[in-house]
Amino acid sequence: SSELTQDPAVSVALGQTVRITCQGDSLRSYYASWYQQKPGQAPVLVIYGKNNRPSGIPDRFSGSSSGNTASLTITGAQAEDEADYYCNSRDSSGNPVFGTGTKVTVL
Amino acid sequence: QVQLVQSGAEVKKPGASVKVSCKASGYTFTSYGISWVRQAPGQGLEWMGWISAYNGNTNYAQKLQGRVTMTTDTSTSTAYMELRSLRSDDTAVYYCARLVRDMVLNWFDPWGQGTLVTVSS
Repeated sequence: SSELTQDPAVSVALGQTVRITCQGDSLRSYYASWYQQKPGQAPVLVIYGKNNRPSGIPDRFSGSSSGNTASLTITGAQAEDEADYYCNSRDSSGNPVFGTGTKVTVL
Repeated sequence: QVQLVQSGAEVKKPGASVKVSCKASGYTFTSYGISWVRQAPGQGLEWMGWISAYNGNTNYAQKLQGRVTMTTDTSTSTAYMELRSLRSDDTAVYYCARLVRDMVLNWFDPWGQGTLVTVSS
């Protein structure tokens, strides 16, 4: 079972803001990275570390962290942001572990 | 551009082995690690392990210890993942991803396109 817990699903109105959370004890010591996965496609890195975006990722994606919770925020959600989102950090052994995933629906 | 290209889909019988390849281009292969991640149908992402392309050191997920082997060929910038004693619950899409890690963070970028491995009698 994953040591990083995410809400299974969230919805957001077009143009509004949505926050996706990832909870786990390891997040008190390690940063998270976040991945977007659309149906039938490989995951894509959208945020890593404190709040770093790879080139090509829109600035409506941002990351933050507090205590045992990491968050990915989409400000002004677009239809193309509808996807599954996974966080990643480390488990109690220091190995990478993925969160349970959140399905984002844009209404 | 940085790219990882994986081998094609496989169909295997229970008990058999499968070896998936991942060819890297656009960067210095030995400067990064390669991780393998799998995704069963309709399920989430599962980290399988990683290999340092610099020195070949490996670290495997505990549940796969003894069944998985990850290797690299630096002459062709290719990583390999072999999984043995296949079971039906090994049916999944297998991804390779370039791994960057430091003391407090790891991230995977880019990812290969995925290889579907189907285990069926």
